[in-house]
Amino acid sequence: DQQVKQNSPSLSVQEGRISILNCDYTNSMFDYFLWYKKYPAEGPTFLISISSIKDKNEDGRFTVFLNKSAKHLSLHIVPSQPGDSAVYFCAATLQGAQKLVFGQGTRLTINP
Amino acid sequence: DAGVIQSPRHEVTEMGQEVTLRCKPISGHNSLFWYRQTMMRGLELLIYFNNNVPIDDSGMPEDRFSAKMPNASFSTLKIQPSEPRDSAVYFCASSFPQALQETQYFGPGTRLLVL
Repeated sequence: DQQVKQNSPSLSVQEGRISILNCDYTNSMFDYFLWYKKYPAEGPTFLISISSIKDKNEDGRFTVFLNKSAKHLSLHIVPSQPGDSAVYFCAATLQGAQKLVFGQGTRLTINP
Repeated sequence: DAGVIQSPRHEVTEMGQEVTLRCKPISGHNSLFWYRQTMMRGLELLIYFNNNVPIDDSGMPEDRFSAKMPNASFSTLKIQPSEPRDSAVYFCASSFPQALQETQYFGPGTRLLVL
């Protein structure tokens, strides 16, 4: 059973528009959430994170929103650029723990 | 500075054969993680080590899978015998222990195909 779910395998967005990637989790004990980005033939790299004490964290064009009551988080990319085309993984953990639980990933394609 | 190094990058083998995947973590990192990526389940943690000692192997799918870390600069993941359902991309990652989770650095992965 998947504790972290990304229900959209793929997403296509026009360059300059907003990309919204979604992630749901089932374990209410999770209190720290991360997004990783993966290009083809490379390993995932860390993008942005959020603690459960916050509902929003922003880093440049990237913003992560957390809705604890819905057990849902989302990653917003504004404006989207062609270089953002990649697979995005959502991950959850207990703060201070080393073990990350990842979702299935969403392939984002930014069209020029 | 070199990142996490994995070998081979690609492996094609026949069902029943033994497969050994190798990983060299970033120098100075004390924690090492093995992940498997599939379309259906995404990235799954198989096992992780702290200071060469296995801490959690609850993600290892079956007894056919084994992992070792004989020293701080080398780890192996072995599948014996291999089966077609083991086909996946296997990633190794390393970090400092008790570091922030985002400081897990991933290698480029080994793409395994079992025929």
